[in-house]
Amino acid sequence: QKEVEQNSGPLSVPEGAIASLNCTYSDRVSQSFFWYRQYSGKSPELIMSIYSNGDKEDGRFTAQLNKASQYVSLLIRDSQPSDSATYLCAVNPQLTNFGNEKLTFGTGTRLTIIP
Amino acid sequence: DAGITQSPRHKVTETGTPVTLRCHQTENHRYMYWYRQDPGHGLRLIHYSYGVKDTDKGEVSDGYSVSRSKTEDFLLTLESATSSQTSVYFCAISVRSGVGYEQYFGPGTRLTVT
Repeated sequence: QKEVEQNSGPLSVPEGAIASLNCTYSDRVSQSFFWYRQYSGKSPELIMSIYSNGDKEDGRFTAQLNKASQYVSLLIRDSQPSDSATYLCAVNPQLTNFGNEKLTFGTGTRLTIIP
Repeated sequence: DAGITQSPRHKVTETGTPVTLRCHQTENHRYMYWYRQDPGHGLRLIHYSYGVKDTDKGEVSDGYSVSRSKTEDFLLTLESATSSQTSVYFCAISVRSGVGYEQYFGPGTRLTVT
């Protein structure tokens, strides 16, 4: 069973601090990794994708990938109340990346930013 | 919103009735997916499509069928709805981006089976 694990939270972080979200996956051949943000009652919104070991930064968001340890994390700097949402980690557990892959999702971490 | 619409957005139906959910995209993407989202289970793949008339089963396909007669439309049918199919249903498309593909989701359909 290919699994993606996330701490369900809730994770509470003061406004302006760094929020750190973690995700581990079981399938070593996984090639691509995604973070989605989902507000209550809304659909998942892609915020980061990462394919190579190391860090990828986009504005206040940084995704970190460590394939040897099989984890991917998302850092949110200068957290804002609008960052309060559930964050879903998704993994492509296959060797290929042609567009037809079936992603495996974690159950999400609920993040609350405290003003 | 990646040019994806879903209809209806909300539906209440009775056990045993057939239900069809529609996903429509405007950008001719080849790959389309249907997921359901339930508390404690996250997003689970029901069916997916590689192209017109080309579909396959996902993780939780029992009780569901799909059809894709046009590139832009992917239909999900519950032949005889059950209470266990009460859920939020999301359609997604796969879009080329840089070195890989990314999935983007539609707004969702909240289905209640009474």
